[in-house]
Order: sequence, then structure tokens, then C-alpha cells
Amino acid sequence: ETGVTQTPRHLVMGMTNKKSLKCEQHLGHNAMYWYKQSAKKPLELMFVYNFKEQTENNSVPSRFSPECPNSSHLFLHLHTLQPEDSALYLCASSQAGGNTEAFFGQGTRLTVV
Amino acid sequence: AQSVTQLGSHVSVSEGALVLLRCNYSSSVPPYLFWYVQYPNQGLQLLLKYTSAATLVKGINGFEAEFKKSETSFHLTKPSAHMSDAAEYFCAAFNMLTFGGGTRLMVKP
Repeated sequence: ETGVTQTPRHLVMGMTNKKSLKCEQHLGHNAMYWYKQSAKKPLELMFVYNFKEQTENNSVPSRFSPECPNSSHLFLHLHTLQPEDSALYLCASSQAGGNTEAFFGQGTRLTVV
Repeated sequence: AQSVTQLGSHVSVSEGALVLLRCNYSSSVPPYLFWYVQYPNQGLQLLLKYTSAATLVKGINGFEAEFKKSETSFHLTKPSAHMSDAAEYFCAAFNMLTFGGGTRLMVKP
């Protein structure tokens, strides 16, 4: 248990579906991150939020839409995904500033059919 | 801009042998550096971190890493591998924005 909880753990969705991934942290952190981890590819940073404001968008397609309503919650809204979007999506949190470690959730294994 | 390079996407060692996983960074100033471990279908767990207090950093599970500015390296070592060390290991730098490509460690009985 790392203090970062992701739901659901597994998700299968069709290309026309709309779904959301949820991340919640109970560590009092003020920075939250979404990463994509595909097989045989490096870990890819997708989005960063500092104090609820988006500070990084790493050229992510618009079919991925993040939302950070407060410093404890982070969502990733998904719509009209492609099969190549199948991956493990990891959420992490940290104190903003860069000199502290991030704590990761266990991830959501997404399969797009 | 900072970057992190892990040499060797796969490393295989025998149980009881030395583990050495390599990480080099590219930066104009010494960064904050981290090593993480990931077991199958799990998130990343922090092994250890370098934040300029000491160049030799000890982490969990018997791992340690040494920061060498002259070599821009932060290699991860463990004197004696255990079967339970089989996992993927990631080196990361400053702000969690930069991760290495990962090294899968396999431990042979």
C-alpha cells in the first residue's frame, strides 16, 4: 500500500466507449502524474498537475482528457480510443519541486478492443 | 534538458551473484536521482534516492547506488542476488519527468 489508489485495476473497453480512470492519494501531496506503460516501450509521462494546475502535457492525443478537481484526486477520461492505447496506466503523486520521490499506484491495465 | 539512460534492457545473473544495473544521466547540474523497482502488473516502488546528501545511497532490499559526478552515473548494485529480486528496474531523474528505459533483471537458480 503506497497511499495512491487507482481504480479500476483492469478495464476492457470498445473503441466507441467512454470511460474514466480514477486516482486518489492520501499523502498530502500537491503534484500528480499520469504515465503510460506499454509493452517494450519506455515509461511515458502523459500529464502533470501541480497544485491542481496542469503543467505538462506531453503531446498526448485529445482522446485522453485529464481532470484534477482537487489535490487528492486525478482522473483520466477516455473516449474513442485505439487498440494501440492498450497499456498499463500509472498514476503517481509527490510534493511539487522535484527533489522528492513520487509514489505510484498499482496501475490500471487497459485493453481496447 | 535532462535525460537518463539505462544500459542493458535485460540483465541475467545467477542467484548469489553481484547485481549491477547501470544508469547514466545527462544534465548540466547534478540532478536528483531515483531508482524504482516494478514487479509484474504492479506500480513502481522506490528503492533509493540521491539528493546530494551522500554519494553512496543505501536503499531497501539490500540495494545501494553510488553517485559519480565525474562519470555522470548512478549505478545500482546488490552484492548477492536473490530470486525475489527478479523484476524491472527504472532509473529516474528530477521532477519525475524523466525515466530511463528500464532494465529487466532475471535471476537464475
